[in-house]
Amino acid sequence: QQQVKQSPQSLIVQKGGISIINCAYENTAFDYFPWYQQFPGKGPALLIAIRPDVSEKKEGRFTISFNKSAKQFSLHIMDSQPGDSATYFCAASIRGSNYKLTFGKGTLLTVNP
Amino acid sequence: DAGVTQSPTHLIKTRGQHVTLRCSPISGHKSVSWYQQVLGQGPQFIFQYYEKEERGRGNFPDRFSARQFPNYSSELNVNALLLGDSALYLCASSRELIYGYTFGSGTRLTVV
Repeated sequence: QQQVKQSPQSLIVQKGGISIINCAYENTAFDYFPWYQQFPGKGPALLIAIRPDVSEKKEGRFTISFNKSAKQFSLHIMDSQPGDSATYFCAASIRGSNYKLTFGKGTLLTVNP
Repeated sequence: DAGVTQSPTHLIKTRGQHVTLRCSPISGHKSVSWYQQVLGQGPQFIFQYYEKEERGRGNFPDRFSARQFPNYSSELNVNALLLGDSALYLCASSRELIYGYTFGSGTRLTVV
């Protein structure tokens, strides 16, 4: 049972464009939703995270939109740059489980110059 | 400050062998978690330790075990290796049992 479903699997965007990655979750007990960025040969790095009491969080070019009723959240990367090319993972966790992370399958983002 | 350090970075083992992977958390971090990342998939939770005690276990067979030492470093042990154990093993640390884990670069295990 996949608790966090991520789409698309891969995404190609032109430099300066907007990259959008979507995730849907099933467990309504999830209360922390981070996004991780992973470059080849490296571990995932925390990019931005949101709690379900807010509908949007913005940090620089990165924005999370959260829809609690639809059990969906998405990552928007504005003004995408070639350096943003990486694999992005959404995740979800529960305070009661000590915040162990349940990850989506990942989205390979390629930003063309 | 040094990040999460994992060793070795790469490892090749034969089916049936045993392997030990090591993790040094960020200084001051008391919680360590282990994740398995199969190629093309997201990381999957294996274990979580805090103050040397196991605080969570994922859906992995008993061939997988771990421990945390008084200096908060950790070992992940896998017995009777199977081809399907080939993966990137990630260690993540956190100051307390809260969100915001920092991941290491992982150990790439290949079982042949």
